[in-house]
Amino acid sequence: DTAVSQTPKYLVTQMGNDKSIKCEQNLGHDTMYWYKQDSKKFLKIMFSYNNKELIINETVPNRFSPKSPDKAHLNLHINSLELGDSAVYFCASSQDLTGRGNTIYFGEGSWLTVV
Amino acid sequence: AQSVTQPDIHITVSEGASLELRCNYSYGATPYLFWYVQSPGQGLQLLLKYFSGDTLVQGIKGFEAEFKRSQSSFNLRKPSVHWSDAAEYFCAVGGAGRRALTFGSGTRLQVQP
Repeated sequence: DTAVSQTPKYLVTQMGNDKSIKCEQNLGHDTMYWYKQDSKKFLKIMFSYNNKELIINETVPNRFSPKSPDKAHLNLHINSLELGDSAVYFCASSQDLTGRGNTIYFGEGSWLTVV
Repeated sequence: AQSVTQPDIHITVSEGASLELRCNYSYGATPYLFWYVQSPGQGLQLLLKYFSGDTLVQGIKGFEAEFKRSQSSFNLRKPSVHWSDAAEYFCAVGGAGRRALTFGSGTRLQVQP
C-alpha cells in the first residue's frame, strides 16, 4: 500500500485552465503538506494542514487553494494556470507538525506542465 | 529563521569510492536534521534523521551522518558508493516549533563506473 498517494502523476494543460491535484495518506498522520519543486530542484513549502486546519500558508498566489476534507486528504486546486506554475508538486504527511513527529513522508510527485 | 546550505551542487565519484555530502544549517535551538534522497522521476525517500543522543546516526542503504553542533553541520557519508546511489540528495532542518521542514537546494550525485 502506498503511504502517500497523489494523482495525477503527470498533467499537461493550457494556460488559463483550472486544475486539481489530489492527495491521500493512509499513515494515520495528523499533518499534511504541499511542497513545490522548481526546475532547479529547490523544494519550497506551500501549505500545511493539521487536523484539517490550515497551519502554514507561505507566500503563494491566491490562485492556489488547498482543501482538506478530512485529515487523510489534502487537495490542491489551481486557478488560471500560468507558465510559471510548471513544476513538480509534492504532497507529504507527518505525524504532527512539531518535534519528533515531524518526519515527513512524501508522495511520488505530480509533474505539472503548463503550455 | 531556519535555513540549510548544501555547498556542493554537483558531485561525481567513482563506484566503490567513499562519499561525503556537506550540509550546514542555521537554527536557533536544537535542530532536528534529516537527509532525503530523490531518484530521477521519483519522490523523496528518508535516508536518516537526527533528533538527539548519539551524534552519529545510521540510515538505510549504508549511509550515515554526523551531527556537529560546533560546526552547525550534518554531513552525509558512505564508505563505498554504488552506481544505484546516483540521485539528488537533500538535507533538511526542523525543530520544536510549528514549522514544516526547510530543505537545502540539493546535491546531485553522479557515479562513474
